[in-house]
Amino acid sequence: GESVGLHLPTLSVQEGDNSIINCAYSNSASDYFIWYKQESGKGPQFIIDIRSNMDKRQGQRVTVLLNKTVKHLSLQIAATQPGDSAVYFCAEGGYSGNTPLVFGKGTRLSVIA
Amino acid sequence: KAGVTQTPRYLIKTRGQQVTLSCSPISGHRSVSWYQQTPGQGLQFLFEYFSETQRNKGNFPGRFSGRQFSNSRSEMNVSTLELGDSALYLCASSFGTAASTDTQYFGPGTRLTVL
Repeated sequence: GESVGLHLPTLSVQEGDNSIINCAYSNSASDYFIWYKQESGKGPQFIIDIRSNMDKRQGQRVTVLLNKTVKHLSLQIAATQPGDSAVYFCAEGGYSGNTPLVFGKGTRLSVIA
Repeated sequence: KAGVTQTPRYLIKTRGQQVTLSCSPISGHRSVSWYQQTPGQGLQFLFEYFSETQRNKGNFPGRFSGRQFSNSRSEMNVSTLELGDSALYLCASSFGTAASTDTQYFGPGTRLTVL
């Protein structure tokens, strides 16, 4: 079946630098995408979402970019802080009235102080 | 507004036993979805309940079951536990159905260890 994947399983960045986490999705019919952050011992926490009629959406220190041509999603974190260290998941869905979200495997972001 | 709560947070069982996990969604949310999270398989969808009806089911054996009550609280049950059932079980709630674009909010999970 189709699934959401990630280019990099781990990412290490210096504190203060910008982070970019990438995600490739395979279902061209997906029209809703979400990024979640999961810290150790906690459940996934919603970060930001984007609909397929947009190619960019900004939140507080985070930006999600959607490139439907190449079926690629990215999460940019500005001025990365130690508290950003976590596993980040992308998920896709919305393409069917009765199909649940499909989650990627996750990327671990490690911030070096 | 209180978040999604799950009980218990930790559970240790032995093979062959059964277990029941509980999830209380955010007030006003009608959909509850359950996921199994393991290091090897990531987040895998188990099932979703909306207004007490199972709307969706993932690719898990019949040993995994669930239900939802009229107050939207949900339980999942795993019978005849196997070692491979050791995982973090996550519950997520949303106002609409999980298949819609309503954001799902996750609880802290129940860590199940099967010995």
